[in-house]
Amino acid sequence: EAGVTQSPTHLIKTRGQQATLRCSPISGHTSVYWYQQALGLGLQFLLWYDEGEERNRGNFPPRFSGRQFPNYSSELNVNALELEDSALYLCASIIGDIQYFGAGTRLSVL
Amino acid sequence: DAKTTQPPSMDCAEGRAANLPCNHSTISGNEYVYWYRQIHSQGPQYIIHGLKNNETNEMASLIITEDRKSSTLILPHATLRDTAVYYCIVRVGPIKAAGNKLTFGGGTRVLVKP
Repeated sequence: EAGVTQSPTHLIKTRGQQATLRCSPISGHTSVYWYQQALGLGLQFLLWYDEGEERNRGNFPPRFSGRQFPNYSSELNVNALELEDSALYLCASIIGDIQYFGAGTRLSVL
Repeated sequence: DAKTTQPPSMDCAEGRAANLPCNHSTISGNEYVYWYRQIHSQGPQYIIHGLKNNETNEMASLIITEDRKSSTLILPHATLRDTAVYYCIVRVGPIKAAGNKLTFGGGTRVLVKP
């Protein structure tokens, strides 16, 4: 069974640009969580999608947005990139009590 | 979610058991103890979780004290690949029904040495 997959692995952008990160959950999982992990910091919750709807949102500005598609895959969009957006972005899908994480997308903003 | 306290780092000899402590003195009756680990630059990996009984799986054992104010994750035979940051998380389960996310603290940085 394939795990949570994220693409791209690495993404390099410049300030002011937009970034799009993608996530495919484990087959059969309908919930997707997005987290940001800046260097040396813990995971910060970004967004939770379930059954195509945004269910919860962390303390991030509106330029962080996303969506979930009918096949339960998800996109995270970050507009007007800032230097401090450089981080590892992690996606997780859930079954029961357990979140399963992808390998992440490392976003570098220059 | 209850706050957890873990030592910032610990070393372990390869082949020996690694015992990772976690204090959660404010845990409430419906909160579970979860353990995840994160190997450098990878996504966190679920290890084990429990409510009040000791639990064991192919990766580790979880020992929860009778008063549930602390727990210990045991890696029975540590290998070099177990070098990672280990996170103890206390929260209401199941996660989806609680409509909430995981909150990771500082964790314990475990270095397994040959």
